Amino acid sequence: QVQLQESGPGLVKPSETLSLTCTVSGASINSYSWSWIRQRPGKGLEWVGYIYYSRDTDYNPSLKSRATISVDTSKNQFSLKLSSVTAADTAVYYCARDHSGWAEDAFDVWGQGTLVAVSS
Amino acid sequence: DIQMTQSPSSLSASVGDRVTITCRASQSIGSYLNWYQQTPGKAPKLLIYAASSLHSGVPSRFSGSGSGTDFTLTISSLQPEDFATYHCQQGYSAPRSFGQGTRLEMK
Repeated sequence: QVQLQESGPGLVKPSETLSLTCTVSGASINSYSWSWIRQRPGKGLEWVGYIYYSRDTDYNPSLKSRATISVDTSKNQFSLKLSSVTAADTAVYYCARDHSGWAEDAFDVWGQGTLVAVSS
Repeated sequence: DIQMTQSPSSLSASVGDRVTITCRASQSIGSYLNWYQQTPGKAPKLLIYAASSLHSGVPSRFSGSGSGTDFTLTISSLQPEDFATYHCQQGYSAPRSFGQGTRLEMK
């Protein structure tokens, strides 16, 4: 059974960098693609970006090149860094397994989510 | 970018009711449409992928249909655990995008 768990600071100051990690259990991180998705308070879901089989990455252009996703294969983890944060980046951040390109082309396994608030 | 619009934004219904939620894409997305269910404080769960295929373990009272720009999620007979928010998501082109959600409340 594949499980994902997000971790990282719950509070980040404006203009600083948000850093989150997703630990994957039950699957090799090299065997799938992995995404970050966020949900601002009272809003819908927003895809942030993904890492494709530990190689390529793609991001939502709305983030204006502030996002970076990377993988640590030794720890079976992937991470999100979002620079120059503002209050608009306050959200629950989810990591998810991304089956893009598969028959079941969807986000089929999700972490529980972690709330990150941007405030001084 | 493809915009996804759900209707209604909220809906009141009773246990046993048949409920339909609609999702419209701003351009044709073929059958690259997924539905998720989210209860308060929890992560979304995949219900339906490719517009009409049921994800493993999802009860058969859930069904999806549509192609192109118009899609529907139907719950044939509402159960107490179905009161939640439902999100559609297109996987046709990057950046993948979600609808704003439909909140299904108990009448």
